Amino acid sequence: AQTVTQSQPEMSVQEAETVTLSCTYDTSESDYYLFWYKQPPSRQMILVIRQEAYKQQNATENRFSVNFQKAAKSFSLKISDSQLGDAAMYFCAYRSPVNSGNTPLVFGKGTRLSVIA
Amino acid sequence: NAGVTQTPKFQVLKTGQSMTLQCAQDMNHEYMSWYRQDPGMGLRLIHYSVGAGITDQGEVPNGYNVSRSTTEDFPLRLLSAAPSQTSVYFCASSYRGRHTDTQYFGPGTRLTVL
Repeated sequence: AQTVTQSQPEMSVQEAETVTLSCTYDTSESDYYLFWYKQPPSRQMILVIRQEAYKQQNATENRFSVNFQKAAKSFSLKISDSQLGDAAMYFCAYRSPVNSGNTPLVFGKGTRLSVIA
Repeated sequence: NAGVTQTPKFQVLKTGQSMTLQCAQDMNHEYMSWYRQDPGMGLRLIHYSVGAGITDQGEVPNGYNVSRSTTEDFPLRLLSAAPSQTSVYFCASSYRGRHTDTQYFGPGTRLTVL
């Protein structure tokens, strides 16, 4: 079974600075999807960024980017120019290819990010 | 589109009571799933469905039942509530196609069992 590990329970960053959240995973599959979800105090789960394992290029969404190292099974999230609204719990998640018949997300335990003004 | 909706938003039960958490989506998604979120544990899968009439167990299925009679609805039933089921419950859905794999989450239901 796949597992996802987030080794940093809490992180903090100064406003306008850059922060990197770590995520590692364990799988025997060669094709899969990786996600970062943000959960603000409202509890809503918000998709931040996604990466398809067969794509070598790292995904980028505005101030959010990932460093996907497939051989190392590492998937870190970099937040640039941090804003107060970035303060939230961040979850890394893994998903098998949808046509494999077993496609729910496997989540890490989360990293709580604080942004200091 | 309303997306994924969940009702109720909050619920308090006494031990032994039963109830159903409702989940509906209007995006014609084949896949639907239920997760529970506990402090320090992330989200853990309870049950999931790959289409109407098909369900399967996840990581923590004990004490919960599901059924999927329509594509739109995926209710979660607590048969006899226990304090250990105090949690926040999320429903999620997605398409089945290879390039439409993103799961969309409902707003969650906070359940307290006394």
